Amino acid sequence: QKEVEQNSGPLSVPEGAIASLNCTYSDRGSQSFFWYRQYSGKSPELIMFIYSNGDKEDGRFTAQLNKASQYVSLLIRDSQPSDSATYLCASGRAGGFKTIFGAGTRLFVKA
Amino acid sequence: GAVVSQHPSWVICKSGTSVKIECRSLDFQATTMFWYRQFPKQSLMLMATSNEGSKATYEQGVEKDKFLINHASLTLSTLTVTSAHPEDSSFYICSARHRGGIYEQYFGPGTRLTVT
Repeated sequence: QKEVEQNSGPLSVPEGAIASLNCTYSDRGSQSFFWYRQYSGKSPELIMFIYSNGDKEDGRFTAQLNKASQYVSLLIRDSQPSDSATYLCASGRAGGFKTIFGAGTRLFVKA
Repeated sequence: GAVVSQHPSWVICKSGTSVKIECRSLDFQATTMFWYRQFPKQSLMLMATSNEGSKATYEQGVEKDKFLINHASLTLSTLTVTSAHPEDSSFYICSARHRGGIYEQYFGPGTRLTVT
């Protein structure tokens, strides 16, 4: 069973701090990795993707990938209360395989 | 870019009736579309995967005769909930995989179904 594992949280950080969200995956054939943000009552929104080892930065977000350790993370710098949401980690690969989603980590940013 | 729409955004129907939900990729062609269901405070649950022009592939435990999926074109997929019951009340979300992309999915805004 191909899986993506995430700590369900909740992860609570003060406003302005760095929030660190982590996930691990079991399918070594996974080629692309995604972070989605889902606000309560809304559908998921793609915020970052990464497919090469190392870091990828986009504004306050940095995605990190370590294929040897099968580990993906998302750092949110200068966290804001509006970042409070559930963050879903997902993996994808070619060949018609479906994207595998983790169960999500709930993040609370305290003002 | 990469916008997916869903219609309706919410619907209330009586038990025993059928409801159709449309999912459209507005500015890209989607080789594959997915249908999910999500109950309050629970994870996304994949119901089925559909490829344009092919029969949908349903996840284990999902009744294909109850949840009819049609993927008529590279921009349109529909989900019909037949003979709806109160336990079918949920948040239904579609997503589309970008043709030629890196396997990322873009989600529609979701349809909240309430069966009375």
